[in-house]
Amino acid sequence: DAGVIQSPRHEVTEMGQEVTLRCKPISGHDYLFWYRQTMMRGLELLIYFNNNVPIDDSGMPEDRFSAKMPNASFSTLKIQPSEPRDSAVYFCASTPGAGGLNTGELFFGEGSRLTVL
Amino acid sequence: AQSVAQPEDQVNVAEGNPLTVKCTYSVSGNPYLFWYVQYPNRGLQFLLKYITGDNLVKGSYGFEAEFNKSQTSFHLKKPSALVSDSALYFCAVRVPYNTDKLIFGTGTRLQVFP
Repeated sequence: DAGVIQSPRHEVTEMGQEVTLRCKPISGHDYLFWYRQTMMRGLELLIYFNNNVPIDDSGMPEDRFSAKMPNASFSTLKIQPSEPRDSAVYFCASTPGAGGLNTGELFFGEGSRLTVL
Repeated sequence: AQSVAQPEDQVNVAEGNPLTVKCTYSVSGNPYLFWYVQYPNRGLQFLLKYITGDNLVKGSYGFEAEFNKSQTSFHLKKPSALVSDSALYFCAVRVPYNTDKLIFGTGTRLQVFP
């Protein structure tokens, strides 16, 4: 298996622009998580899905952030409009259903490094 | 609310010496505890977990961790450090049957010197 695939790996954009980050989870995994990593705040959970349904989005910073999972093999995290404080590495992770989640073994992608100027 | 603390931002150790990376947790209920490692410019990788049973759990790359319920700790250890162990280490906690969320600590940077 190719693992969790994220794109783009690097994104540099200007304040006010729309940013879309993409994630392809491991096939057969029922859970998908979006995390954000910064030096100041560490690793923050933004939102997670179970069987394509958003379960908890309490970590989404504000209305500028939105996430979708239209099918089992694809998810997007969108920031519109982007701001410099959104600069971070955004990670997507997936895990199998209840059994896998009980063991907590999340499989992370390589991350998308976002820089907003 | 469940939380996990890693009190040290950085741990320095000489190659060949034992290493310990500390983690304490605060949860209501019986926790599931985990350690993950992150190498530069990479995603996190699972190292080991404690679910139930033996308090000493063994994981990848020779790492082990000890669950101590009375001290609410789950310290990561390795008897003999390697330079290649240098990375960022995250402790994480989850309370089963309460949430599916895995809450991570702030991370500890391990630097192993030759």
